[in-house]
Amino acid sequence: AQKITQTQPGMFVQEKEAVTLDCTYDTSDPSYGLFWYKQPSSGEMIFLIYQGSYDQQNATEGRYSLNFQKARKSANLVISASQLGDSAMYFCAMREGQAGTALIFGKGTTLSVSS
Amino acid sequence: DAGVTQSPTHLIKTRGQQVTLRCSPKSGHDTVSWYQQALGQGPQFIFQYYEEEERQRGNFPDRFSGHQFPNYSSELNVNALLLGDSALYLCASSLLVSGRNEAFFGQGTRLTVV
Repeated sequence: AQKITQTQPGMFVQEKEAVTLDCTYDTSDPSYGLFWYKQPSSGEMIFLIYQGSYDQQNATEGRYSLNFQKARKSANLVISASQLGDSAMYFCAMREGQAGTALIFGKGTTLSVSS
Repeated sequence: DAGVTQSPTHLIKTRGQQVTLRCSPKSGHDTVSWYQQALGQGPQFIFQYYEEEERQRGNFPDRFSGHQFPNYSSELNVNALLLGDSALYLCASSLLVSGRNEAFFGQGTRLTVV
């Protein structure tokens, strides 16, 4: 079974609109972390936001917020006020267990922002 | 403050050859992880090094090996290259004992096997 599922291969949005990128995960470990990364065409993976399994509140980092629904095992990324520079590939990833263990990535969602 | 740096950025090798990729972690980081990203896919974990030892390994054959040096930099070696080894190889660094969760990635090495 896939550990991280991103069901949207591509998303299209206009500038200044909000967009939600979906991510569901599967783990039996009570301690885990969820990450979102952005990968522009240059290839570098850019860390966006982190949510721990025991965190009570949804994580926010500037225009990024994570809609964490633990019972549904979902961790959707919300980008408010999209910008042209947000066009990129977005990956959801999970760490199981203690900090420092390997990241498990989904297949990604391509976001295209138009003017 | 230099981030994670990888070299070379691009590489073309022939089937059966051997290749070495290099990674310098972000200043202050002690842990290096390597990932393979095939075209159109998410990265897959190869292995992780901490204190010059392989700490964790993904589902990759023994043709993939690595090393970490006392200055925390790392190498990824791939022997007997196959066409399927063509991919973007990403290095990520982190500080293990801090409990912080961010892994910072380099820009990657794009390996093409012909």
